[in-house]
Amino acid sequence: DTGVSQDPRHKITKRGQNVTFRCDPISEHNRLYWYRQTLGQGPEFLTYFQNEAQLEKSRLLSDRFSAERPKGSFSTLEIQRTEQGDSAMYLCASSRTRGYNEQFFGPGTRLTVL
Amino acid sequence: ELKVEQNPLFLSMQEGKNYTIYCNYSTTSDRLYWYRQDPGKSLESLFVLLSNGAVKQEGRLMASLDTKARLSTLHITAAVHDLSATYFCAVDTIKGDTGRRALTFGSGTRLQVQP
Repeated sequence: DTGVSQDPRHKITKRGQNVTFRCDPISEHNRLYWYRQTLGQGPEFLTYFQNEAQLEKSRLLSDRFSAERPKGSFSTLEIQRTEQGDSAMYLCASSRTRGYNEQFFGPGTRLTVL
Repeated sequence: ELKVEQNPLFLSMQEGKNYTIYCNYSTTSDRLYWYRQDPGKSLESLFVLLSNGAVKQEGRLMASLDTKARLSTLHITAAVHDLSATYFCAVDTIKGDTGRRALTFGSGTRLQVQP
């Protein structure tokens, strides 16, 4: 399968713990995006990478959130000191640099903070 | 700030009926995407609309784009139960500060097709 993959698919954690999610984009895509989706809403942009450079971060991305994309391949999203409000589906998407901006989404990681 | 509004937010319809979902947006854009999402699943790309007057059809779904009216529609013909899902439109714009193309999603339309 050559689509976007994410790991884990589900994560349950206690408030205050740190969690890390991984995203593997489609191999020839050098743009990578993280989104957060809460129940009944559309995805909201969190951050964007072109190759290994993190070019943009949303105001939604508080200091407790950090994202990396070493070597421009897979990406990780870490949430420190989780809060119940962090419970959501975290989606990763990738796209090509050239052509239109069609983004292909991974299956998502559903985070539940107890 | 770009606003993307979909209506209706919830739609219950019987098999065999036709209906249209509307997506209005508040700023200039010439690109719009429609995605489908099944419960607990990720987003599946349905249509990419790249210019004013663009019309795409796949099976019982047809999408169109009117950039002057800032409106896209997703028309469902003779609905079947398998079309039950949430449908999102996403408007593609260039962010002024970074020059990056960005997607802004609507809240989604949850479609239930009753047998």
